[in-house]
Amino acid sequence: DAGITQSPRHKVTETGTPVTLRCHQTENHRYMYWYRQDPGHGLRLIHYSYGVKDTDKGEVSDGYSVSRSKTEDFLLTLESATSSQTSVYFCAISESGQGIGGYTFGSGTRLTVV
Amino acid sequence: DQQVKQNSPSLSVQEGRISILNCDYTNSMFDYFLWYKKYPAEGPTFLISISSIKDKNEDGRFTVFLNKSAKHLSLHIVPSQPGDSAVYFCAASDRGTGNQFYFGTGTSLTVIP
Repeated sequence: DAGITQSPRHKVTETGTPVTLRCHQTENHRYMYWYRQDPGHGLRLIHYSYGVKDTDKGEVSDGYSVSRSKTEDFLLTLESATSSQTSVYFCAISESGQGIGGYTFGSGTRLTVV
Repeated sequence: DQQVKQNSPSLSVQEGRISILNCDYTNSMFDYFLWYKKYPAEGPTFLISISSIKDKNEDGRFTVFLNKSAKHLSLHIVPSQPGDSAVYFCAASDRGTGNQFYFGTGTSLTVIP
């Protein structure tokens, strides 16, 4: 979807290094989310944001931090990457805090931690 | 612990026939349900939703049924088309507590021409 872009699309990093994934939206939606997708688990919420500088933890937040200094950008940081964080990461946006009408997802970032 | 379960990892259907994808949930507080469709190397796209005040919602070839007493929902696709081949995720939330959707593990649908 042109309204939401994730960068990078692919990344290979070494254990112990910091990694930042970026989500950029042009829809001016208030709510932004970071999910990870793993086999056998579906998509699981890491962190979400309900406004600039307003963030909260999701189901699997350990080892991750986020920041939102502008409406359009939501950054996900792995302070010290571990192999268990190898995953596909999806950013999503929503006008509604209750997800009415569903989220719009980005195309994902495939992260491999070696 | 998985609060939303899709017990069939895969499903194959002939073109033109009905596809039925199933989803079960454990949390009786869930009151809003979504289905998403996902193609390889793309993000999930929203397909259809249903609120707990309804037991059916229809959008073209797609119908979602909700059975609250059984904590079960299903997605019917009629008629199935080859372009429907994708992974389908169901998701559920408790709107009273806000923002988190819980997703199932997905069912990979293959529609055979």
